Amino acid sequence: GAVVSQHPSRVICKSGTSVKIECRSLDFQATTMFWYRQFPKKSLMLMATSNEGSKATYEQGVEKDKFLINHASLTLSTLTVTSAHPEDSSFYICSARGMAGRETQYFGPGTRLLVL
Amino acid sequence: GQQLNQSPQSMFIQEGEDVSMNCTSSSIFNTWLWYKQDPGEGPVLLIALYKAGELTSNGRLTAQFGITRKDSFLNISASIPSDVGIYFCAGQREGTYKYIFGTGTRLKVLA
Repeated sequence: GAVVSQHPSRVICKSGTSVKIECRSLDFQATTMFWYRQFPKKSLMLMATSNEGSKATYEQGVEKDKFLINHASLTLSTLTVTSAHPEDSSFYICSARGMAGRETQYFGPGTRLLVL
Repeated sequence: GQQLNQSPQSMFIQEGEDVSMNCTSSSIFNTWLWYKQDPGEGPVLLIALYKAGELTSNGRLTAQFGITRKDSFLNISASIPSDVGIYFCAGQREGTYKYIFGTGTRLKVLA
């Protein structure tokens, strides 16, 4: 299967700082990437859809100024949590949708964010 | 956000037993995906289904795309301890790239 990486895997930051998470498709070009948030023992909740070269589409209830998404190339999307607060602590997972072949999405390993 | 109904919510089974879980929706889907997630990791794709009635296997795993296009089933035969984890279904509606995820089935296998 296709490989998607995320960096960093874990991050601890102080309240009020910003944190950037990178998502890369390593062996395929991703026309679309998705960002999810997952709380303990819960399912994945879609935050936004990121298309290369255009603005991200945010799900209802997700603050676009809080969670900045940039999809600069067909292999890289970034999520920046701005002015992070303890309630932003969560497991953030990206996924990538390929350009060719049958419809599917492949997930990165996730980034655990802890805001103190 | 919207989620699919997935059942059962959790299962405790003996090693060697078969497992069945399903996802249901009031909406029609074009694609169904099944994932397994281990603690602290991202979901790993198990099986992808693209056509109503399709039955696809991956080793001991078999999944089916419901004929009504509103449900999907995943079966695991002869479970082993490493099958432990959370299984998620994900459905994609026509005309959208987004997937809606099921609520998850937490599987525990007793050796």
